[in-house]
Formats: sequence, C-alpha cells, structure tokens
Amino acid sequence: NAGVTQTPKFQVLKTGQSMTLQCAQDMNHEYMSWYRQDPGMGLRLIHYSVGAGITDQGEVPNGYNVSRSTTEDFPLRLLSAAPSQTSVYFCASSERGSYNEQFFGPGTRLTVL
Amino acid sequence: AQSVAQPEDQVNVAEGNPLTVKCTYSVSGNPYLFWYVQYPNRGLQFLLKYITGDNLVKGSYGFEAEFNKSQTSFHLKKPSALVSDSALYFCAVRDPSGTYKYIFGTGTRLKVLA
Repeated sequence: NAGVTQTPKFQVLKTGQSMTLQCAQDMNHEYMSWYRQDPGMGLRLIHYSVGAGITDQGEVPNGYNVSRSTTEDFPLRLLSAAPSQTSVYFCASSERGSYNEQFFGPGTRLTVL
Repeated sequence: AQSVAQPEDQVNVAEGNPLTVKCTYSVSGNPYLFWYVQYPNRGLQFLLKYITGDNLVKGSYGFEAEFNKSQTSFHLKKPSALVSDSALYFCAVRDPSGTYKYIFGTGTRLKVLA
C-alpha cells in the first residue's frame, strides 16, 4: 500500500492564483481531512469528509474548497491564493469510527508570494 | 469548547534518561486521546491512543502514556530516551460530539542530547 499520497511536494504561487492540492489514499478509508500546519499553532483542520459526496468545514475553511467524488481522492482547492495561506498542508485518512487513528500524507509546502 | 494544551514548546533530555511530554485536555464527555510524532519534513505518525480501559497505554517505539481523568492529562512517557526520539510531538483529542474532528495541540519539540 502507498498509504496517503500528496502532490505536489512543493509549490510557489503568486497572490491571486488558484491551484489544487491532490490527496489520495489506497486504504479504503471513509474519513479524510485536510490540515494546515503553521509554526506555534499546531495543526488546524480546514475541511473534512466522512465519505464520498459528504464534506464539512473545519476550523479554518475560508479560502479553500473541497470535494469528495470518490473514496480514494480528496483534493483541496485554493480559490485565490493569499500570503496568509503560506503553510504546510497535510492530508489524513482514517477508518470509520470514533477512535481510529489517522494516517497522514507527507505534506505539501506552499508559498504564496 | 474542546481544547488541547501542550504547555512546553521544547523539552530537552539526556540520552538514557526518562522523558515526559505533557498534554492536558478540555472536552465535554469521554475523551479519545492520541499522540503523534513528526520527524523533519515528514507527515505525522501515530504513536498511541487512549479510548477506554487501562489508564496506562503502550504504543510504538517504547512510548507509553498515562491517562489521568481527574487532572485531565495524557502525558507521553518513555523510560529511556534515545537520540533518535528527537522530533515534534503532538497530542490530539477526537471531538466526542460525534463529528470527525480532531483537535491538535501546538506541539512539543523533544531534543534528546547525546
């Protein structure tokens, strides 16, 4: 199993540009999440999904969109990039259930100029 | 509101000594608690979790954690630290309200000195 994969690993955008961060998992996990990691702030939840066709907002959803058309894929879209979105982004997945641990991807480091 | 606190930004310990990384939580209801480790330029890896039962939970790489309900704490411990344990450690709590939301602490950087 590849686990959770994310592309790209690094990305530089200009303010106002849009892009999609890709996330895929091959473990047939129902639950998937997107986080951003900023120094001194830990991980903050952006959006999450509990199954194909079902998404919901996390703690910091503004400026980001998600969709979940398949169990495997959970892309994160930046609509109009801003310098405040410079961060490291992690995708995670877990089996259905309240007490299952999450599996994390390797992350995407995004810089917005 | 649910929250997790890791009061120490950094913990330094000598190799071979016991280590403790602290975590306290505030949730309504029974907490599901987790510890994750992050090595440089990597994603987070699961270490251990407390769901119910024995207050002492054993996990990967010789780590364990003690759940203390009265003190609302879930401290990570290891009897003998290794230099290779140096990493960023995150405590997390699953929102017990039923949504798929995990709340993470701000992380503690562990430095094990040779």
